[in-house]
Amino acid sequence: QVQLKESGPGLVQPSQTLSLTCTVSGFSLTSNSVHWVRQPPGKGLEWVGAIWSGGSTDYNSALKSRLSISRDTSKSQVFLKMNSLQTEDTAIYFCTRRGQLRGFDYWGQGVMVTVSS
Amino acid sequence: DIKMTQSPSSLSASLGERVTISCRASENINNYLSWYQKKEDGSVKLLIYHTSRLQPGAPSRFSGSGSGKDYSLTISGLESEDIATYYCQQGYTPPTFGGGTKLELK
Repeated sequence: QVQLKESGPGLVQPSQTLSLTCTVSGFSLTSNSVHWVRQPPGKGLEWVGAIWSGGSTDYNSALKSRLSISRDTSKSQVFLKMNSLQTEDTAIYFCTRRGQLRGFDYWGQGVMVTVSS
Repeated sequence: DIKMTQSPSSLSASLGERVTISCRASENINNYLSWYQKKEDGSVKLLIYHTSRLQPGAPSRFSGSGSGKDYSLTISGLESEDIATYYCQQGYTPPTFGGGTKLELK
């Protein structure tokens, strides 16, 4: 059974670094890519970035300078690190698996991240 | 980046009614179009991928169509459990989403 679960701090201070973990089960990170998507309060879904099955990464161009995505395949975990956090980064952060024909077929429940002092 | 324009942004419909949501891409996306349902409890589910393929587990009252730049999602008979926000998404990198359609009961 495919599952993804996000974990991380709910509150981050402005200018600090956000670290999130996505722990997956039921599939291998070397078989499917894992993406991060976020939703700010009252707004729509925004793609953040991805780590592909081969280990390469892609990032939202607006976030690229602050963002890093990595993984530990032995632990089935994907990591998101975003520095210099601003209040606009307040959002629910989801990790999701890309399935066949480019749809995101499984999603985590999301983790709410609030950037505030 | 490919821009996705979704309409309407909100929609009121009655139970049993046929509902259609549209999505237009800024360029040809060759049927790499998916539809998602996001409920108030925060859960996100894939309904349709590659324009018209029903995700296993999604109810058969959901269907998708389209080609080129223009796509649509249809609910053949609205049920109460369909009350949610719906998003389209194109499959090229970077993936981009439509702005969402909030579906409410009339």
